[in-house]
Amino acid sequence: DQQVKQNSPSLSVQEGRISILNCDYTNSMFDYFLWYKKYPAEGPTFLISISSIKDKNEDGRFTVFLNKSAKHLSLHIVPSQPGDSAVYFCAASSNRDDKIIFGKGTRLHILP
Amino acid sequence: GAGVSQSPSNKVTEKGKDVELRCDPISGHTALYWYRQRLGQGLEFLIYFQGNSAPDKSGLPSDRFSAERTGGSVSTLTIQRTQQEDSAVYLCASSPSVTRVGELFFGEGSRLTVL
Repeated sequence: DQQVKQNSPSLSVQEGRISILNCDYTNSMFDYFLWYKKYPAEGPTFLISISSIKDKNEDGRFTVFLNKSAKHLSLHIVPSQPGDSAVYFCAASSNRDDKIIFGKGTRLHILP
Repeated sequence: GAGVSQSPSNKVTEKGKDVELRCDPISGHTALYWYRQRLGQGLEFLIYFQGNSAPDKSGLPSDRFSAERTGGSVSTLTIQRTQQEDSAVYLCASSPSVTRVGELFFGEGSRLTVL
């Protein structure tokens, strides 16, 4: 039972354009969402998070949008840069416990 | 060290042998997590600790897997009688939050290959 779904295994975007990574969840108890970035042979690193009391959180080139009614969130990167090429994981947790569930990831390729 | 440290970084073992993977979290971090990433797959939750106790062990794949944490610090993940499907990168992460876990700080992982 996959509670956090990233349906696009990969995405290619031209440098300078906007990258949009999508994530869907099924557990209505989730109230805190995070995005992580992972380079090969390294552990994931935290990128940005959002609480369910908000619908948008912005940090520099990164913005996360949350649509609670649709159980959907997205990460926007603008403008996309070559160093953004990595695997992006969506993750979620609920206030019932501290278990953090990850999606399968989306590999982002930034094209020159 | 400043970050989460995992050892060994690489382990090749024969089917049926036991392996032990170690995680040194960031000093003072109360929460510690173990995840597994098989080739081409996402991060699979295994277990987490708050202090020395593990409130949720539901992610452990079988009774061949066990984990412990002592002194609120170092954790070991033990896999007994390894099988080829245990081959994966085992990632450890820690978090400073006591009441509500936020950002996780990951180690570089231990790559396990079972022949």
